[in-house]
Amino acid sequence: AQTVTQSQPEMSVQEAETVTLSCTYDTSESDYYLFWYKQPPSRQMILVIRQEAYKQQNATENRFSVNFQKAAKSFSLKISDSQLGDAAMYFCAYRSGAGNNRKLIWGLGTSLAVNP
Amino acid sequence: EPEVTQTPSHQVTQMGQEVILRCVPISNHLYFYWYRQILGQKVEFLVSFYNNEISEKSEIFDDQFSVERPDGSNFTLKIRSTKLEDSAMYFCASNPAGLRETQYFGPGTRLLVL
Repeated sequence: AQTVTQSQPEMSVQEAETVTLSCTYDTSESDYYLFWYKQPPSRQMILVIRQEAYKQQNATENRFSVNFQKAAKSFSLKISDSQLGDAAMYFCAYRSGAGNNRKLIWGLGTSLAVNP
Repeated sequence: EPEVTQTPSHQVTQMGQEVILRCVPISNHLYFYWYRQILGQKVEFLVSFYNNEISEKSEIFDDQFSVERPDGSNFTLKIRSTKLEDSAMYFCASNPAGLRETQYFGPGTRLLVL
């Protein structure tokens, strides 16, 4: 069975600085997708970025980018120029690419604080 | 931009009562999901639904749970006889057809069972 591990329960960063959140996963599949979701205090789950395992290029979305290391099964999220609005819980999630199995498997999350 | 909506935002119920959580997925989406998040714990998959039937369910999704798409827009989760441990945030999600699509989440329903 696939698992997702986020080893940093809490992180903090100064406004305008860069922070990296870690995520590792375990799978025997070769086709899968990885996601970072943000959950602000409102508790809405917001997609930040996604990565297809078959793509070697790391995904980027404005200030957010990932470092996808497929062999190491590592998928870290880098937030550049951190803003106060980035303060939230961040979840790493995995989804199989096989068949109709579409459920997301989640890490425990990392709580990010942004200090002014 | 279209979004997934959920009602109610908060629900308080007594143990043993039935609750129905409602979701309106994005209109052209074909796959629907329920997840739950107990406070301080991991988000857990409950069930996925496609073509008017359950496509996958987790061990959590026992006989006390059911899902329905009663019309062309709503997607509901029913808990027949709530337990204290059902207290959680319940998220609905949907995605379009296509294996490579992303799931989009609603704002959640916070359920408290007393």
